[in-house]
Amino acid sequence: QVQLQESGPGLVKPSETLSLTCTVSGASINNYYYNWIRQPPGKGLEWIGFIYFSGTTNYNPSFKSRVTISINTSKNQLSLNLTSVTPADTAVYYCSRDNGGTTPMDVWGKGIMVAVSS
Amino acid sequence: DIQMTQSPSSLSASVGDRVSIACRASHNIDNYLSWFQQKPGRAPKLLIYDASILETGVSSRFSGRGSGSNFTFSIASLQPGDFATYYCQQYGSLPYTFGQGTKLDI
Repeated sequence: QVQLQESGPGLVKPSETLSLTCTVSGASINNYYYNWIRQPPGKGLEWIGFIYFSGTTNYNPSFKSRVTISINTSKNQLSLNLTSVTPADTAVYYCSRDNGGTTPMDVWGKGIMVAVSS
Repeated sequence: DIQMTQSPSSLSASVGDRVSIACRASHNIDNYLSWFQQKPGRAPKLLIYDASILETGVSSRFSGRGSGSNFTFSIASLQPGDFATYYCQQYGSLPYTFGQGTKLDI
């Protein structure tokens, strides 16, 4: 059974870079799309972007200048880098999987809370 | 971006009730719509995809319908475990977008 697990620092200082990793276990990382989604405390869900196992990416224009998503298929991991963070980037960050094209996100990680504070 | 508008934002109901939540897309998304359930401190759980298809293992008390820009999600015979927040999400057009959520409580 495939599982996704987010990891990374729980606290980042303003203006620094938020870096998270999502590890895929129980299945190969290949042939799927992987998304990053975030949820500020008490608020709704916001899609950040996706990456295909081949490395193709697509980002939400709201983040485009600050976000990079990468993948390491040999480690079954994908990563999120968000630069120049502010307290508004405080959120639970989730990774999820879909089959690409017009398919739903059917597998999600448990999420990781990241606070941006000095 | 396609805006997803859910109504109501909150809903009070009792065990055994039937409830419905509406989701409207600002543009046609065909049937590329999911419904998620989220409980406090937990990740969203996929319940319905392609507007009306029940995800494997999900109770048949959950149902969805609609296409184009108007969608409805229903829960029949509410159970205690159903009290949660529900989100619609479109995946027909990038960037993917979510509704603001509907909190279902007692």
